Amino acid sequence: EAGVTQSPTHLIKTRGQQATLRCSPISGHTSVYWYQQALGLGLQFLLWYDEGEERNRGNFPPRFSGRQFPNYSSELNVNALELEDSALYLCASSLPNYRAFREKLFFGSGTQLSVL
Amino acid sequence: AQTVTQSQPEMSVQEAETVTLSCTYDTSESDYYLFWYKQPPSRQMILVIRQEAYKQQNATENRFSVNFQKAAKSFSLKISDSQLGDAAMYFCAYRSAVGRGSNYKLTFGKGTLLTVNP
Repeated sequence: EAGVTQSPTHLIKTRGQQATLRCSPISGHTSVYWYQQALGLGLQFLLWYDEGEERNRGNFPPRFSGRQFPNYSSELNVNALELEDSALYLCASSLPNYRAFREKLFFGSGTQLSVL
Repeated sequence: AQTVTQSQPEMSVQEAETVTLSCTYDTSESDYYLFWYKQPPSRQMILVIRQEAYKQQNATENRFSVNFQKAAKSFSLKISDSQLGDAAMYFCAYRSAVGRGSNYKLTFGKGTLLTVNP
């Protein structure tokens, strides 16, 4: 069974541009989480989608947004890119909300975003 | 808000030896989950071990075990018989078990880079 897949693997943008990152969860998982892993800062929670709805948002500016599609895949958009947005963006998925309480998260291998 | 602190940015261990990685956390909640994740060079986060706060017994998974001290808010990871494949960044993480909805996010520490020497 396929795991969580993310694309692209690497993305290079310049300041002010927009970046779009994609995530496909494990089959049967309806919850998708996005985390930012900047150098030396650990993982910071960005967004959580479940059943197509945004359920929770981390302490990030509105430039960071996303959506979840009917097939539960998800997109993370970062507008007006800044140099400090350079980071590894990890996506994770889990079983539906009502069961996610005790379920594990399964992570993808991330998209490395570099802003020049 | 909950915080997770890993005070050891880097650790090293000889192959076949035992190493302990430290983690402390701060929370006012009584029910929560604690995790150790491993991130090898492939970048994919892999769950190593999980502990439920209401369980007094320390979790074990093969060569990996934890020392969970709830009163001290400490959650250390012990790796026995270290192998070269254990070399990775290790992250301690916290997740609330109180209520639903917004509590599902994980709060991570900054990580400990473990080197295993042959």
